Amino acid sequence: EDQVTQSPEALRLQEGESSSLNCSYTVSGLRGLFWYRQDPGKGPEFLFTLYSAGEEKEKERLKATLTKKESFLHITAPKPEDSATYLCAVQGLGTSYDKVIFGPGTSLSVIP
Amino acid sequence: DGGITQSPKYLFRKEGQNVTLSCEQNLNHDAMYWYRQDPGQGLRLIYYSQIVNDFQKGDIAEGYSVSREKKESFPLTVTSAQKNPTAFYLCASSIPGSPLHFGNGTRLTVT
Repeated sequence: EDQVTQSPEALRLQEGESSSLNCSYTVSGLRGLFWYRQDPGKGPEFLFTLYSAGEEKEKERLKATLTKKESFLHITAPKPEDSATYLCAVQGLGTSYDKVIFGPGTSLSVIP
Repeated sequence: DGGITQSPKYLFRKEGQNVTLSCEQNLNHDAMYWYRQDPGQGLRLIYYSQIVNDFQKGDIAEGYSVSREKKESFPLTVTSAQKNPTAFYLCASSIPGSPLHFGNGTRLTVT
């Protein structure tokens, strides 16, 4: 069964303290892995798509990487405005529709 | 600007009443989706539609119904048969192979 787990469940960082969020996945053939940011009371906002192991994408203080079993979202020198829940999702091959499996998310708090 | 509009933002209903959540998109996307989000759980797919007048059940369709009479609109009805309807509901749309675009959700509280 396709599955996505994320760790840690919650992360509290001081401003400027770099860290990484983990997304581990099990899927029968990966079409794509997605990272989203979700602010409280809002819908998820798309950040990155990764398609194959070894691929990396960057946006401001965020960098996403992908291996065959997991993805990391690296946050360099975070600022308070980076506080949000970060969702990971995978899309598998061989389904009749674009089925996307979401992880439970990591809640990030960046303290000034 | 193109996007997805969900309304209302907050909705309160008494147990036993049906309620309909609105979702409209102007992105010209063919596919639309409804997800439910509960604390500590990933988003779970309720229904999806890839084309007008056609829709399919997702993983947790029991107690819900949808219609897709127009490309732009995909309303979700939460019926009295849904045992735990209180949740945050998210509508999304996409073109094939591309990331989902989400609305800002409707928080439904049933007492």
